[in-house]
Amino acid sequence: ILNVEQSPQSLHVQEGDSTNFTCSFPSSNFYALHWYRWETAKSPEALFVMTLNGDEKKKGRISATLNTKEGYSYLYIKGSQPEDSATYLCAFQGGSEKLVFGKGTKLTVNP
Amino acid sequence: EAGVVQSPRYKIIEKKQPVAFWCNPISGHNTLYWYLQNLGQGPELLIRYENEEAVDDSQLPKDRFSAERLKGVDSTLKIQPAELGDSAVYLCASSSGLAGGPSTDTQYFGPGTRLTVL
Repeated sequence: ILNVEQSPQSLHVQEGDSTNFTCSFPSSNFYALHWYRWETAKSPEALFVMTLNGDEKKKGRISATLNTKEGYSYLYIKGSQPEDSATYLCAFQGGSEKLVFGKGTKLTVNP
Repeated sequence: EAGVVQSPRYKIIEKKQPVAFWCNPISGHNTLYWYLQNLGQGPELLIRYENEEAVDDSQLPKDRFSAERLKGVDSTLKIQPAELGDSAVYLCASSSGLAGGPSTDTQYFGPGTRLTVL
């Protein structure tokens, strides 16, 4: 059974704080790692698809890194804003179309 | 361009009743997915279609769940009869599926249908 772990489960930060969270996944049979942001009552939104060890991707104030050898990815948010409040999901893809999701990290940014 | 459309957004039914969810994927997307998200968990794949063919339905509880994508466009997921444990969010997603094999195509999600079984 594939195990994708995300930590922390939830996080409360103040507006302007920078924050990061972790996704751990199997280091074998790796194909890609996907990050999604899911705001309440909206559709999950794709942030990044990462495939290469050492990959770093950036979208505005959000960036992500990937280490496939040790099986982890970090998501960073610089200068958090209230609109960043959402659940951040990572999903492991191993050689097929199937995504195996973690349980997510719920971020709350207080104004 | 419209995203993935799902309806209804919310559904409340009594146990043992049937229920159906509808999904219209992004135009031109060949691959369609149905996911189940239980409270506090990540989405789990129920079924994946390539055009009208169900290519992975290994996680679909076939005793009560069924799905169809008759013309390779929109899709319906049905539960009959519903049980209390079926209360969850049912998500539909689509991807272009042009590669014809494993790819890193982004899966675009709809807003989901939140089902409550009483």
